[in-house]
Amino acid sequence: GDSVTQMEGPVTLSEEAFLTINCTYTATGYPSLFWYVQYPGEGLQLLLKATKADDKGSNKGFEATYRKETTSFHLEKGSVQVSDSAVYFCARMDSNYQLIWGAGTKLIIKP
Amino acid sequence: KAGVTQTPRYLIKTRGQQVTLSCSPISGHRSVSWYQQTPGQGLQFLFEYFSETQRNKGNFPGRFSGRQFSNSRSEMNVSTLELGDSALYLCASSLDGANTGELFFGEGSRLTVL
Repeated sequence: GDSVTQMEGPVTLSEEAFLTINCTYTATGYPSLFWYVQYPGEGLQLLLKATKADDKGSNKGFEATYRKETTSFHLEKGSVQVSDSAVYFCARMDSNYQLIWGAGTKLIIKP
Repeated sequence: KAGVTQTPRYLIKTRGQQVTLSCSPISGHRSVSWYQQTPGQGLQFLFEYFSETQRNKGNFPGRFSGRQFSNSRSEMNVSTLELGDSALYLCASSLDGANTGELFFGEGSRLTVL
């Protein structure tokens, strides 16, 4: 069935390091793809999205490119900050217009 | 602009009881979706209401139900609680519908079933 697979966390990095959180999906067709972020004590919020192949979503210094060849949507940031510490969720839209979610990746940034 | 508000934030029930959770969406949003979040299953879609009508439903038993009022506030009800219903229940509102994928989540209601 449809699924989204994220790299297991926690991912621990030092401030200013380069970040990649891997996300791959299974699908027929080309679903819209999303990254959501949950900061401590807050609700999930949309970080970025891409609706078609080769689209790049970007926000707050984060980027992800829709790669249909590898069915991936990896999240990247060039220089992370302590304030980026959060749980990141990758998701895709299914044919019933429901979001299918990855398990989430906890990111810890150390000063 | 006020965010999505869920009440209560925490509650404890015993098996066999029923529970009602409430969600107030962002002003102007007509869509409210409900999700169950557990460590084992992650985030799972329960249902979506749009302008008082259930528009979509996930794969949960009939013990899980919901409704939406004319002011877009929504409630979900779980009857005959089971231990496995212990979870964080998240509500999300959307301006144009959950099919856009652009959801605004509340902080959740954490239900513990003893």
